[in-house]
This record gives sequence, structure tokens and C-alpha cells, in this order.
Amino acid sequence: AQSVTQLGSHVSVSEGALVLLRCNYSSSVPPYLFWYVQYPNQGLQLLLKYTTGATLVKGINGFEAEFKKSETSFHLTKPSAHMSDAAEYFCAVSEDSGYSTLTFGKGTMLLVSP
Amino acid sequence: DVKVTQSSRYLVKRTGEKVFLECVQDMDHENMFWYRQDPGLGLRLIYFSYDVKMKEKGDIPEGYSVSREKKERFSLILESASTNQTSMYLCASSGRGRSYTFGSGTRLTVV
Repeated sequence: AQSVTQLGSHVSVSEGALVLLRCNYSSSVPPYLFWYVQYPNQGLQLLLKYTTGATLVKGINGFEAEFKKSETSFHLTKPSAHMSDAAEYFCAVSEDSGYSTLTFGKGTMLLVSP
Repeated sequence: DVKVTQSSRYLVKRTGEKVFLECVQDMDHENMFWYRQDPGLGLRLIYFSYDVKMKEKGDIPEGYSVSREKKERFSLILESASTNQTSMYLCASSGRGRSYTFGSGTRLTVV
């Protein structure tokens, strides 16, 4: 069975600071990994995904994530936070087999202060 | 612009009512999903469908049913609404590549 752990329900940064949101996964087969963002009162929007190939994945809005198989991690980073990055972020995993569905972490709320 | 449309943004229903939440996608996706989202619990899968007239239980199907009579439409049914079903409900669809496209959500309050 697959699972996702996001460390920290809330992360606070100052505008211009590095953003680091942590995600660890568990999967018995090669995983597909995703980060989604949710702004208030909206659905989820795909930030980036890893399926195969290059382990450093670049997404929208300057975010990127690195798949580290040895650490079973897929942490999300952005070099410089902007006020508009304040939102809730969800890491998700899907297995590369059959009718696998997405399993989500519990989410991390990113707070950005001026 | 491709999209997943949920028929209502906000709903208030009474305990015991039968509630229908509708979801339509225009991307010709085979797969459709219903999740509920609660603070501190993330998204939990209720039901999903890989084809017309086909359905599979997710992690929390109790108290819910679904219907998929057409490829583009996936309905979630609360047979007898209860207060513990007050939540945000998110519909999603996916084709190949496993990326989900989400609707804007329906915030359901059961009183």
C-alpha cells in the first residue's frame, strides 16, 4: 500500500526566503509523485510531477522538487518566496501499476510574511 | 480551457435528505474520482470510476454511492445525509499520465 507523510502542517517563511516543504512516501513499486497547490476556496492545481527520468522536476511558479529514491523523499522547494505563494500544498503518490489512484498527504499550509 | 465543473459551490442540506453532487468534465477522460477534504485529514478517496457504469470503492465509501451513466459525468450521492458528512467535496478526472484535474469543490453543510 502507498502512503505519504508531509512533515509540518504549517510552515512560515519571510518573503524572499527559501521555501522547503517536506514529503516522504511509501510505495512497494516505482512511484509517480505529485505536488498540488490549493488556494482558498479553490480546487487543487498541479504544480509538478515525477514519473520517470530526470529526478529534478521543475514546475510552475518557480517551484521544483527532487525525487530521492534512497531517502523515499520528494521535497518541494522554491528559492525565494512570494506573498502569492501562501496556500496549502499537498504531496501525492500513485503507483505505476494498474488502476492505482492518488494517495494524498495531509497538506502543509505555507504562510508568507512581509 | 479544459475543466472539471462541479454543479454547486455551496450546499446546505438537512439531516436525512438525499443529496446529489454533480461533476462534469470536458476532457474525454476515462477516470473520475470523488474525494472529501477535511482540515488536518487531507483528501480521502470516496469512490472512483474507470469507465462508464463502472465504480470502485475508495477508502471511505460508507454512506455514499456514485453513478456514472455517461463518460463525462460522475455523480456522488449521499443516501441519507448526516452531520458528519459536512465537508468539502472535490471531484477530479484523469486520462493517461495520472495527472488529476480538479473541480473547484462543493462545500456541503448538513444541519
